Amino acid sequence: IAGITQAPTSQILAAGRRMTLRCTQDMRHNAMYWYRQDLGLGLRLIHYSNTAGTTGKGEVPDGYSVSRANTDDFPLTLASAVPSQTSVYFCASSAGTGGTEAFFGQGTRLTVV
Amino acid sequence: GQNIDQPTEMTATEGAIVQINCTYQTSGFNGLFWYQQHAGEAPTFLSYNVLDGLEEKGRFSSFLSRSKGYSYLLLKELQMKDSASYLCAVRDSNYQLIWGAGTKLIIKP
Repeated sequence: IAGITQAPTSQILAAGRRMTLRCTQDMRHNAMYWYRQDLGLGLRLIHYSNTAGTTGKGEVPDGYSVSRANTDDFPLTLASAVPSQTSVYFCASSAGTGGTEAFFGQGTRLTVV
Repeated sequence: GQNIDQPTEMTATEGAIVQINCTYQTSGFNGLFWYQQHAGEAPTFLSYNVLDGLEEKGRFSSFLSRSKGYSYLLLKELQMKDSASYLCAVRDSNYQLIWGAGTKLIIKP
């Protein structure tokens, strides 16, 4: 089934540890996004990539990095996790950056202790 | 700054009609989206408006007024499975999506 897959689905992480959240899509979408969702707040964009080989910073990029080596994969790395990074992380993709809908992965629930 | 406002929570009765409002102030406008998100799940696409007017899709309709910075999502013949959060998002001049905090809709029998 075509779609977008995230791993892991949940993780408890010690503060100061490094962690990579994986995201893979098989829809050949050009654009990919990483969001975090916190209670009472809207989805906030962390980083995005409009096409393979390019990335950009979103609204809340500090403490996170991404890479886009190919069309399908868009991993998000927390270099040194802090408790404020406890959140639900969603990866999404869309065919373009215009009026096309975004498809979301199932999310990764990350707790930093 | 950019801002999307939606009511935090609404309650409606099964079989009834409910209207969820969204007002926005963004740097530019390149379309407005509505998504549905059930608890613990990913958001799923419901509708897209880029021109003024009403878009109808089955039991769901979405309306846009660009001059007023206003949209609403209308849900008819409510079913228990419609209990979810409804997210309004606007694509700004940089083609990035700005998201509202979502409206939690509670359906009562």
